[in-house]
Amino acid sequence: DTGVSQNPRHKITKRGQNVTFRCDPISEHNRLYWYRQTLGQGPEFLTYFQNEAQLEKSRLLSDRFSAERPKGSFSTLEIQRTEQGDSAMYLCASLDSGTGRTEAFFGQGTRLTVV
Amino acid sequence: GESVGLHLPTLSVQEGDNSIINCAYSNSASDYFIWYKQESGKGPQFIIDIRSNMDKRQGQRVTVLLNKTVKHLSLQIAATQPGDSAVYFCAENSRLPYNTDKLIFGTGTRLQVFP
Repeated sequence: DTGVSQNPRHKITKRGQNVTFRCDPISEHNRLYWYRQTLGQGPEFLTYFQNEAQLEKSRLLSDRFSAERPKGSFSTLEIQRTEQGDSAMYLCASLDSGTGRTEAFFGQGTRLTVV
Repeated sequence: GESVGLHLPTLSVQEGDNSIINCAYSNSASDYFIWYKQESGKGPQFIIDIRSNMDKRQGQRVTVLLNKTVKHLSLQIAATQPGDSAVYFCAENSRLPYNTDKLIFGTGTRLQVFP
């Protein structure tokens, strides 16, 4: 499978715990995005990387959230001291910006439930 | 602020009929627009895109129309099939004036196809 891969698919955690999600983009895609989606809403932008550089972070990304892409390949999104309001689907997408194409490929997402 | 919205939250059509899903956007400087399809439990899937210098673009059974005068975007699906049932999102990319390169999604329209 050469698509965007996200792990885990589902995560249930207790409030106050830390969680980490992983995204493996399509090989050689230099651009990687993280989005959050709640039920009935469109995906909300969180942050994106160009190779290993984090170029932009949304105001939604509080101090409890941190994302990394250390080698410009896979990325991790960590949420510290989770809150019930963090419950959502976390989506990752990748894109090859060098082709001029606009098509961002999304993964299946990680569904987080904070209890 | 920046926003992308949809007129109709739910659209029900009979199999074989044509479907039209509408979207309004607010940033007149957006470079391109994309339609995504999202099935339950899956990540958004690219359908078709259109650049701001175009009025119309056709794909396989889908057509996207862009009216920059009224900042309106539509997705037309010909001969709608049961497999088209999903939530459809429009998204815009606005490099200007925000000097960014991310997709901003609308709320979504649920398309229901009945026999």
